[in-house]
Amino acid sequence: AQSVTQPDIHITVSEGASLELRCNYSYGATPYLFWYVQSPGQGLQLLLKYFSGDTLVQGIKGFEAEFKRSQSSFNLRKPSVHWSDAAEYFCAVGYTGGGNKLTFGTGTQLKVEL
Amino acid sequence: EAQVTQNPRYLITVTGKKLTVTCSQNMNHEYMSWYRQDPGLGLRQIYYSMNVEVTDKGDVPEGYKVSRKEKRNFPLILESPSPNQTSLYFCASSLVGGQGGGSPLHFGNGTRLTVT
Repeated sequence: AQSVTQPDIHITVSEGASLELRCNYSYGATPYLFWYVQSPGQGLQLLLKYFSGDTLVQGIKGFEAEFKRSQSSFNLRKPSVHWSDAAEYFCAVGYTGGGNKLTFGTGTQLKVEL
Repeated sequence: EAQVTQNPRYLITVTGKKLTVTCSQNMNHEYMSWYRQDPGLGLRQIYYSMNVEVTDKGDVPEGYKVSRKEKRNFPLILESPSPNQTSLYFCASSLVGGQGGGSPLHFGNGTRLTVT
């Protein structure tokens, strides 16, 4: 079965600093990969997705992620963090033949210091 | 506005008292699913539905029921709630097909359930 690991439970960065959130997945074939963001009291909002093709994908709010098959990773990056980016971030994986099921990581809580 | 609507947002109940959390989507999505979110565990799938009258168990189905009589609605039923079902619940929907599972999920705003 597929699984997703987000090794960082909490991350604190200063506003304006760069950000990288790690995500590793376990699945034999090519997965479908997603990053979602959850603000307090809100549902999950899709930041970006990878299906195939270019391994560097751009998302909303200035986020990007890079799919690295050799490392089974799909890390999320942002060059300059804004205070409004403070939220919880979830990486998720789906796969061909899996219906629409997504398996989620345990999340990374991002705190932004002003 | 395209959205997934869950009700209620907050619910406090007692052990054994049957309850239903409603979920409705206005995007004509075939696929709908329920997840629960617990600290340190991320989101875990409870049940899902690929279309009307087609439902199946997810990873943590025990103690839950669902039905899909209409395409837009997918209620979650707890026949006899217990304290270990205290959690944050999310309903989600997406299209089926296309890249065989790559359609992103659209989430509701969640229902925080407390069972005492």
